[in-house]
Amino acid sequence: DSGVTQTPKHLITATGQRVTLRCSPRSGDLSVYWYQQSLDQGLQFLIQYYNGEERAKGNILERFSAQQFPDLHSELNLSSLELGDSALYFCASSAVGTGLDGYTFGSGTRLTVV
Amino acid sequence: GEDVEQSLFLSVREGDSSVINCTYTDSSSTYLYWYKQEPGAGLQLLTYIFSNMDMKQDQRLTVLLNKKDKHLSLRIADTQTGDSAIYFCAEIGATLQGAQKLVFGQGTRLTINP
Repeated sequence: DSGVTQTPKHLITATGQRVTLRCSPRSGDLSVYWYQQSLDQGLQFLIQYYNGEERAKGNILERFSAQQFPDLHSELNLSSLELGDSALYFCASSAVGTGLDGYTFGSGTRLTVV
Repeated sequence: GEDVEQSLFLSVREGDSSVINCTYTDSSSTYLYWYKQEPGAGLQLLTYIFSNMDMKQDQRLTVLLNKKDKHLSLRIADTQTGDSAIYFCAEIGATLQGAQKLVFGQGTRLTINP
């Protein structure tokens, strides 16, 4: 157990729907990162939050949004889902916002859009 | 921008050494990382090397860094069936906002033959 908790583990939904993925960072970590892992794109950085504030954005679509709450858990919202959004979504956390301490990853949420 | 390249597949015999190679583009990377992903799991930080080091050894793992050629390798001695996984090389890169993020290679799938 890495200490980073992601729920749900699996999600199957239809095109056009909206889903919310949840992440609880490791105790004491202030920074949360979201990554998308697909077969053809590899691991793509989506977005980072640090202590409740958005710190950096990567290749995140406008249909996707995220937030980090005062208790430091984070949610990734995916809307108007398309077949191509099917992927593994990982959350990672680190103590500081630089990532120099390496990231601790959760076990991911596998999203299947049908 | 940053780019990290790895070969996609490596197959070795049990008991042999495995060498996984990686090239990166950002010469200012301060840390370089190796992560392991087992089936159905998240990424686990295996080891990292600071950019002013040439080599780091940790039990069966040896990391070699050639800064001039921007080449990083991970050697696993006495490879066991439990080493079967996907191995990701990562470097610290910058986001558009100037924050730091980990940039991952595509991953090398290591297969162990009995």
